[in-house]
Amino acid sequence: ILNVEQSPQSLHVQEGDSTNFTCSFPSSNFYALHWYRWETAKSPEALFVMTLNGDEKKKGRISATLNTKEGYSYLYIKGSQPEDSATYLCAFTTSGTYKYIFGTGTRLKVLA
Amino acid sequence: DTAVSQTPKYLVTQMGNDKSIKCEQNLGHDTMYWYKQDSKKFLKIMFSYNNKELIINETVPNRFSPKSPDKAHLNLHINSLELGDSAVYFCASSQGGYQNSPLHFGNGTRLTVT
Repeated sequence: ILNVEQSPQSLHVQEGDSTNFTCSFPSSNFYALHWYRWETAKSPEALFVMTLNGDEKKKGRISATLNTKEGYSYLYIKGSQPEDSATYLCAFTTSGTYKYIFGTGTRLKVLA
Repeated sequence: DTAVSQTPKYLVTQMGNDKSIKCEQNLGHDTMYWYKQDSKKFLKIMFSYNNKELIINETVPNRFSPKSPDKAHLNLHINSLELGDSAVYFCASSQGGYQNSPLHFGNGTRLTVT
C-alpha cells in the first residue's frame, strides 16, 4: 500500500510570515513528486513537478525541495499573503504505473 | 477555453437512479482519470484510461462504469445510486506515459444522493 502523508493537516499564519510543510512518500520505485494548490471552490492546479533527488523548484514566493532517498519534500512560502490561503496537495508517482497517489493536504489560512 | 470541462457541475438525484457525468479535455492529452473526493477532502483515484484503454480500475463498486469514446472524453456512469455515492467527482488528464506530467483537473461535479 502506497501512503503519502502530509503535515501539518492545517495551519494558520499571519500575513508576512514564512511557512513550510512536509510531504512524506515511499522512497522505493519513485518517479516524480507533484505539488498542487487547491483553492476553495476551484480545482487543484499544478505548482511543481520534481523528479531528481536534491531538486529545488521556485515560483515567486513559493519553493519546494525534494529528498528521494529519505522520501520527503518540503514546500516553503515566503512572506505569506492572504491569497496564498488554499489547500496544498502533494502527489507521488511510481515508475511503471499511471497512478498519482495524493496526500491528504495541508490547509493553509493566512490571516490579514 | 476551458482545458478540462465536466458537466454537470451539480447533480442532485434520488437513491436508485442512474446518472452520468461527462468530461472532455482539449489539451491533446492521452490519459484521463476520475477521482473521488471523500468527506475528508481526500482525492482517491477511481479509474484511468490511456488512449481509450482502461489502465486503472481501483476497488470501485461495479455500479460505476467509465466509458471513453475517444481520448478526449471520459464519462462516468453510475447505476443504482446510493447515499454513500454523494461526493465531489473530479476528472483530470495528463500526457500519458509521463508520470512527471502534471494532472489538469476539471472543476468537479458535486453529486448529492437523497
